[in-house]
Amino acid sequence: QVQLQQWGAGLLKPSETLSLTCAVNAGSFNGYFWGWIRQPRGKGLEWIAEINHRDTTKYNPSLRSRVTISVDTSKKQFSLELRSVTAADRGVYYCVRGNLFYNYAMDVWGQGTTVTVSS
Amino acid sequence: SSELTQDPAVSVALGQAVRITCQGDILRSNYASWYQQKPGQAPILVIYDQKNRPSGIPDRFSGSASGNTASLTITGAQADDEADYYCSSRDISGDHRLFGGGTTLTVL
Repeated sequence: QVQLQQWGAGLLKPSETLSLTCAVNAGSFNGYFWGWIRQPRGKGLEWIAEINHRDTTKYNPSLRSRVTISVDTSKKQFSLELRSVTAADRGVYYCVRGNLFYNYAMDVWGQGTTVTVSS
Repeated sequence: SSELTQDPAVSVALGQAVRITCQGDILRSNYASWYQQKPGQAPILVIYDQKNRPSGIPDRFSGSASGNTASLTITGAQADDEADYYCSSRDISGDHRLFGGGTTLTVL
């Protein structure tokens, strides 16, 4: 059973950089897309970015200038970096797997990391 | 337009059928997937490619589409189906994922 385990600092000051990492604890790393979704408290889901094992990346145009997604296939991990955070970046951040067999729909989700931005 | 629009809230009587809809021009050319999210939990995939269920999803969940509208139907709604439901697709370029605003389903 594939599980995603994510971690990273959840309390940031404005203008700092959010860094999150997600590890794939079983199964193949290749052949999938790996991504990040966020959810402001009480609001809907927002796609941030995704990457595959070949470093093919896709970004939400509204966040692209502040986001970097990267992958370490040797460790079966992928990471998110969001620069210059503001209060608008608060919420729960999920790492996800896009599954080829489901036309890359997101079939595995991490447990979520709550991000707070406060001075 | 690259937006997906959902009704904010829908209710259904226990054991009855309910349809949750998602509208967007992109759905004329791209398939929708659907996610269920219960309070305090991560979403789970319930429908992909418009009408297919991942393994483990009960067959009371079904998906369909017509024109610019994708639908998630729950036949014989259970109390456990009370949740937020999100539709998702890709934009016209295929490079970016989109989410609808979500529908809160209440089972009465």
